[in-house]
Amino acid sequence: DAMVIQNPRYQVTQFGKPVTLSCSQTLNHNVMYWYQQKSSQAPKLLFHYYDKDFNNEADTPDNFQSRRPNTSFCFLDIRSPGLGDAAMYLCATSREWGAPEQYFGPGTRLTVT
Amino acid sequence: RKEVEQDPGPFNVPEGATVAFNCTYSNSASQSFFWYRQDCRKEPKLLMSVYSSGNEDGRFTAQLNRASQYISLLIRDSKLSDSATYLCVVTQIHSGGGADGLTFGKGTHLIIQP
Repeated sequence: DAMVIQNPRYQVTQFGKPVTLSCSQTLNHNVMYWYQQKSSQAPKLLFHYYDKDFNNEADTPDNFQSRRPNTSFCFLDIRSPGLGDAAMYLCATSREWGAPEQYFGPGTRLTVT
Repeated sequence: RKEVEQDPGPFNVPEGATVAFNCTYSNSASQSFFWYRQDCRKEPKLLMSVYSSGNEDGRFTAQLNRASQYISLLIRDSKLSDSATYLCVVTQIHSGGGADGLTFGKGTHLIIQP
């Protein structure tokens, strides 16, 4: 059974058109993360939620926002996608902050035209 | 200096061979170390944790050298299914003294050839 689910798997959006990516988890984990991964690059942490507490990485652009309405769901909003935002977006969870294992979803591959 | 560095490869290795790759980290206060595996266009998955005493899981052996700040992964009797990107991952201690999240290396690409 899927534990971390991301929808859609592939998303195409136009330059400047807002887009929302979704993530849900069945693990009841406290922490949810959003990573951006570009080709041949390491996953880059954008932000994480510890329960309802939002934590933004210092270098995450303001163009990226996130919402976590409940334990199970977390959304990534890109307000005005640019060509440089085309990437794989990975959602992950862990039981606690700093826990050794993070469980990743399959990712959403975003294309910006 | 990058926090976690890996040789990107690709490492082209014949099936059945032994292959090893290293990873270096810059923060001497790094706390925990892991190898994740990522298949092409798939999500990363935890392969194994790395302990100071070294640990083995089947054909895979991980070692940590804190003095030299590097981590290694050895794969014996390599299989075609071992072809993937292997990500070195560390957790840091931030200035406030608390644990930080995972820091990923860019990964080493391994291709096992028949």
